[in-house]
Amino acid sequence: DTAVSQTPKYLVTQMGNDKSIKCEQNLGHDTMYWYKQDSKKFLKIMFSYNNKELIINETVPNRFSPKSPDKAHLNLHINSLELGDSAVYFCASSLARREETQYFGPGTRLLVL
Amino acid sequence: SQQGEEDPQALSIQEGENATMNCSYKTSINNLQWYRQNSGRGLVHLILIRSNEREKHSGRLRVTLDTSKKSSSLLITASRAADTASYFCATDAINYGQNFVFGPGTRLSVLP
Repeated sequence: DTAVSQTPKYLVTQMGNDKSIKCEQNLGHDTMYWYKQDSKKFLKIMFSYNNKELIINETVPNRFSPKSPDKAHLNLHINSLELGDSAVYFCASSLARREETQYFGPGTRLLVL
Repeated sequence: SQQGEEDPQALSIQEGENATMNCSYKTSINNLQWYRQNSGRGLVHLILIRSNEREKHSGRLRVTLDTSKKSSSLLITASRAADTASYFCATDAINYGQNFVFGPGTRLSVLP
């Protein structure tokens, strides 16, 4: 069974649309993350979240919002998609915040046309 | 420039040779981790070294940490074609509000 899974794997959409990416982990971890990896392979954290605390990277536009229906899921909603949002988005989880190994999902490749 | 920065950006070696990648960072850290990313895949954790450790081994991997120089190195011995991937260091910086800060990675190509 996949530890951290994401859907969809590929997402092609028009500018201005609203889309969601889903993430699920079956590791029993308390903390989940969303990362954005651009075309130059820079990996930047967008959010880290557990059932008590959401930490938002201040550089992330408020068009992006994480939503967690339960501890095992952290979905990423993106409103009014822009061309610059095209990237690979990775979900990850860890047992707790900080000093912990992170387990990554396979990524969602988003292309905004 | 970034908190974690790998060097070189790209490295090409022959199978059987050793590969060394370096990572430099700017602020004090709790720990440093190395991850591997195969093309089109997510990152896979390789090894974690804490700020009070100087060297760590895992199979063919050897990681060193020099907190005085704010640098770490990843050595892969007897490289194989399957080691071809991008390698990232991630720092859990004490002064950063977020969790881990990743460098841009070193792209390693191991030629058969």
